[in-house]
Amino acid sequence: DAGVIQSPRHEVTEMGQEVTLRCKPISGHNSLFWYRQTMMRGLELLIYFNNNVPIDDSGMPEDRFSAKMPNASFSTLKIQPSEPRDSAVYFCASSLGTSGSVEQFFGPGTRLTVL
Amino acid sequence: SQQGEEDPQALSIQEGENATMNCSYKTSINNLQWYRQNSGRGLVHLILIRSNEREKHSGRLRVTLDTSKKSSSLLITASRAADTASYFCARISGGGADGLTFGKGTHLIIQP
Repeated sequence: DAGVIQSPRHEVTEMGQEVTLRCKPISGHNSLFWYRQTMMRGLELLIYFNNNVPIDDSGMPEDRFSAKMPNASFSTLKIQPSEPRDSAVYFCASSLGTSGSVEQFFGPGTRLTVL
Repeated sequence: SQQGEEDPQALSIQEGENATMNCSYKTSINNLQWYRQNSGRGLVHLILIRSNEREKHSGRLRVTLDTSKKSSSLLITASRAADTASYFCARISGGGADGLTFGKGTHLIIQP
């Protein structure tokens, strides 16, 4: 199994530009999570989906952030317009099951730099 | 805000020694998980301990949980250079959500 796949691995953009991050979860997993990691705030949950439906988006910082999961094998996290404070590593993770009693499998992350 | 806090924030030991990292949390839990993150990589699940368990082992890892003190510890025995990484405890964010709340982690360095 290839594990969770994220693209791009690195993204450098200028303030105001739209950024789209992509994630392919492990086949068969029915929960997908987006996290953001910064030095100041550590790892934060942004949003998660179960069976392609957004369940909890309370961690999404503001309306500039949006996430979709059009099917079981693909999700996107979009930032529009991007700002320098959005610079972080964004992780996608997936798991099998709806309980917090299962492990989550993380992708390698996308390092975003907004200039 | 972070619901789990690890200490120490950084730990440097010699190869072969044991490393102990601690985690405290503020609200009740069903279970607590530990993850490892190597530099520039994603997180890897290490072990899950349920609230009705006091201790759990996996290879050179030993995790304890004290729900009365709202704390957990991760012990790595006979450390190796490859154990150099950041270690995080994580719990369910609460409210029935399945997303995890992570502490800020302990950065462990194993000196060869």
